[in-house]
Amino acid sequence: DAKTTQPTSMDCAEGRAANLPCNHSTISGNEYVYWYRQIHSQGPQYIIHGLKNNETNEMASLIITEDRKSSTLILPHATLRDTAVYYCIVRVRSGAGSYQLTFGKGTKLSVIP
Amino acid sequence: EAGVTQFPSHSVIEKGQTVTLRCDPISGHDNLYWYRRVMGKEIKFLLHFVKESKQDESGMPNNRFLAERTGGTYSTLKVQPAELEDSGVYFCASSQVSGSAAKNIQYFGAGTRLSVL
Repeated sequence: DAKTTQPTSMDCAEGRAANLPCNHSTISGNEYVYWYRQIHSQGPQYIIHGLKNNETNEMASLIITEDRKSSTLILPHATLRDTAVYYCIVRVRSGAGSYQLTFGKGTKLSVIP
Repeated sequence: EAGVTQFPSHSVIEKGQTVTLRCDPISGHDNLYWYRRVMGKEIKFLLHFVKESKQDESGMPNNRFLAERTGGTYSTLKVQPAELEDSGVYFCASSQVSGSAAKNIQYFGAGTRLSVL
């Protein structure tokens, strides 16, 4: 089962920052938080990941709380093309030693013109 | 650099037939994963190859599904015989190595949409 909790849906005005929250209160010390998104009919697209420090790349920023129980993905200037389902995933190692991704329902972000 | 490529993009078959899906990972990626989303459900892990070996096949639904990765390059996922409940989108992903978080980023293909009638 997914170890994260996300809102079902969010709206954001075009050009504004989109802040997508995620709760992962049972995260372990060595487990990473990954964010992916899926734009309609495409494959999941990697956005960013982090362990405990805040991270930034060309797509987004990831803010992780000090206790690591929650995080926020920030898209600084949302465009219509950012409309997608966003998945917050805690990467765990399976019993067989595989780092599989466990997708939940994600947050459906709608960017409004 | 080419991304993960999946073929075909869409397959329509009748119940009881056989279908083979193919995935070409990013060049140099030792890890290859199969996932699927069946109608109305979440994306679920099927199995994981490290080179040509199956590292984890705990997500394979039953023995009608057979995955291979001969030579450690491309992979095939065969469904035989296909059932109605197998309809969905099958995704393939690849990553460089397993352990390192930075190098274990999984890059996904566009998926194969399988329709079993």
